[in-house]
Amino acid sequence: AQTVTQSQPEMSVQEAETVTLSCTYDTSESDYYLFWYKQPPSRQMILVIRQEAYKQQNATENRFSVNFQKAAKSFSLKISDSQLGDAAMYFCAYRPNSGNTPLVFGKGTRLSVIA
Amino acid sequence: DSGVTQTPKHLITATGQRVTLRCSPRSGDLSVYWYQQSLDQGLQFLIQYYNGEERAKGNILERFSAQQFPDLHSELNLSSLELGDSALYFCASGRASEYEQYFGPGTRLTVT
Repeated sequence: AQTVTQSQPEMSVQEAETVTLSCTYDTSESDYYLFWYKQPPSRQMILVIRQEAYKQQNATENRFSVNFQKAAKSFSLKISDSQLGDAAMYFCAYRPNSGNTPLVFGKGTRLSVIA
Repeated sequence: DSGVTQTPKHLITATGQRVTLRCSPRSGDLSVYWYQQSLDQGLQFLIQYYNGEERAKGNILERFSAQQFPDLHSELNLSSLELGDSALYFCASGRASEYEQYFGPGTRLTVT
């Protein structure tokens, strides 16, 4: 069974600084997607960034970027120039690329941003 | 706005009762997924329907059941409720041609 592990229950970062959230996963599949979701206090699930396993280039979305290490099964999220609005729970998620399949989530990392 | 709607937003009920949560997927999406999030935990997959048929099952209790109707909306039925069933229940929808699942705002269930 596929599993996703987030080893940092809580992290904090100073405003305008950079923070990296860790995620590791376990799968026997070779083709899959990885995601980072943000869940603010409103509880809405917001997709931050995605990575296709077949792509070697790391995904980037504005201040958010990932470090995808396929062999190590590692998928970390880097947030640059942190803003107060980045404070939220962040979930790493995985799904195989085989049609409609459910997401497998990690337990999340709570990020605090200090002004 | 993801285009996925869930009703009700909040639900408070007593132990032993039965409730129904409703989800309307994004227009054109045939797949509906149900997830449970307990106490700041990660989301746990419960069940998936595709075009009216059950497609995949996760950690869904026997007291829970779901269905998807011809108009593609889905209902999650929770019966013989226990305190531990208090959680946020998310519905998500998607289609085979897209990688993304679109999440509804969730239904917060409180069992007292």
